[in-house]
Amino acid sequence: DIQMAQSPSSLSASVGDRVTITCRASQNVDIHLNWYQQKPGKAPELLIYAASSLQSGVPSRFSGSGSGTDFTVTISSLQPEDFATYYCQQSHSSPHTFGQGTKLEIK
Amino acid sequence: EVHLVESGGGLVKPGRSLRLSCTTSGFTFGDYPMTWFRQAPGERPDWVGFIRSNTYGGTTDYAASVKGRFSISRDDSKSIAYLQMNSLRTEDTAIYYCARGTTHVDFWGQGTLVTVSS
Repeated sequence: DIQMAQSPSSLSASVGDRVTITCRASQNVDIHLNWYQQKPGKAPELLIYAASSLQSGVPSRFSGSGSGTDFTVTISSLQPEDFATYYCQQSHSSPHTFGQGTKLEIK
Repeated sequence: EVHLVESGGGLVKPGRSLRLSCTTSGFTFGDYPMTWFRQAPGERPDWVGFIRSNTYGGTTDYAASVKGRFSISRDDSKSIAYLQMNSLRTEDTAIYYCARGTTHVDFWGQGTLVTVSS
């Protein structure tokens, strides 16, 4: 199975900050990398697919980049509704594994 | 508007079976593959498996942890996907979600809780 490792595991930031979360795959996943946001008690929501494509309806302050094994998601200016847990997921090969998550908290 | 609603969860004893349903609306169900995930409390989501559309043979793929015990099926006439879970184990306890798509899933249901305990 492909292992996905996110960093950091948790992050404290303030409204208006620029934040970057990193995801590393244990082997090449090309651009088959998705990012999800999850709030407590809710299902995950798709933010970015195919490494850098913004899902419809997602604010443009979110952006993704990378290919191969190294990926990032950046929030250009944090808003109060962005405090949540973020997961990367590879869909290059089964099983479609997730990273351990990054919990973004208010400083 | 796209909606997915899971049902069929509950408390079940180890070794027993349960069938989950994912009832959908707001899109042409038969055109899409469907994926099942689960998430134990405080854990990352876990990919369970998916079923392709019948255009692509309706074939399935499963995580090793559930292969041979779980099966996914679909009824395009009712716009419902199913997850049949047999020989349940305590480690199968989780919220189970269905979602539209495979390489990236763009809509999720709200989830249904499955608790496996004696």
